[in-house]
Amino acid sequence: EDQVTQSPEALRLQEGESSSLNCSYTVSGLRGLFWYRQDPGKGPEFLFTLYSAGEEKEKERLKATLTKKESFLHITAPKPEDSATYLCAVQATGANSKLTFGKGITLSVRP
Amino acid sequence: NAGVMQNPRHLVRRRGQEARLRCSPMKGHSHVYWYRQLPEEGLKFMVYLQKENIIDESGMPKERFSAEFPKEGPSILRIQQVVRGDSAAYFCASSPQKETQYFGPGTRLLVL
Repeated sequence: EDQVTQSPEALRLQEGESSSLNCSYTVSGLRGLFWYRQDPGKGPEFLFTLYSAGEEKEKERLKATLTKKESFLHITAPKPEDSATYLCAVQATGANSKLTFGKGITLSVRP
Repeated sequence: NAGVMQNPRHLVRRRGQEARLRCSPMKGHSHVYWYRQLPEEGLKFMVYLQKENIIDESGMPKERFSAEFPKEGPSILRIQQVVRGDSAAYFCASSPQKETQYFGPGTRLLVL
């Protein structure tokens, strides 16, 4: 069974204090690993897809990396507007294209 | 380019009533997924549909829940005889192929 574990559950940062969010996964065969951002009362907003170990993607203050067992979402010099819950999900190879999600990491950035 | 649309955004039902949740995928997307999010829980897969076909319903409860994606019109998630444990946020996602899934704003169901 595919599993995703995210840590820590919650993270509080000072504005400008860089950090990383961890996503550990086990999957029979990885088609893709996805990062989403979710604000309270809203649906998940797509951030990145990573397909193979060693791949990296960047968007503004966010950078996602992937190894064979985990992914990191690095946040450089965060701002209060980066406060949200960050979700990691895996999609396995095969006919079924469902996403298996972790419970998310709630990030709070203080001004 | 309109995103995934869901309605209603909020739905209140009494125990035993039926709930119908609607999802219109993004233009050009033929794959639809439904997920449920319980308080303090992660998103859980329920069902995967293409036009007129259920591809995978392994995450859907065997009783009271059904889903469809007709040739014309939105996808519908139907919950019969709702119970308090069905209270949750239900999200629909769509994709053009088996690729990145884009989510709608969700329907928050409250069962009294």
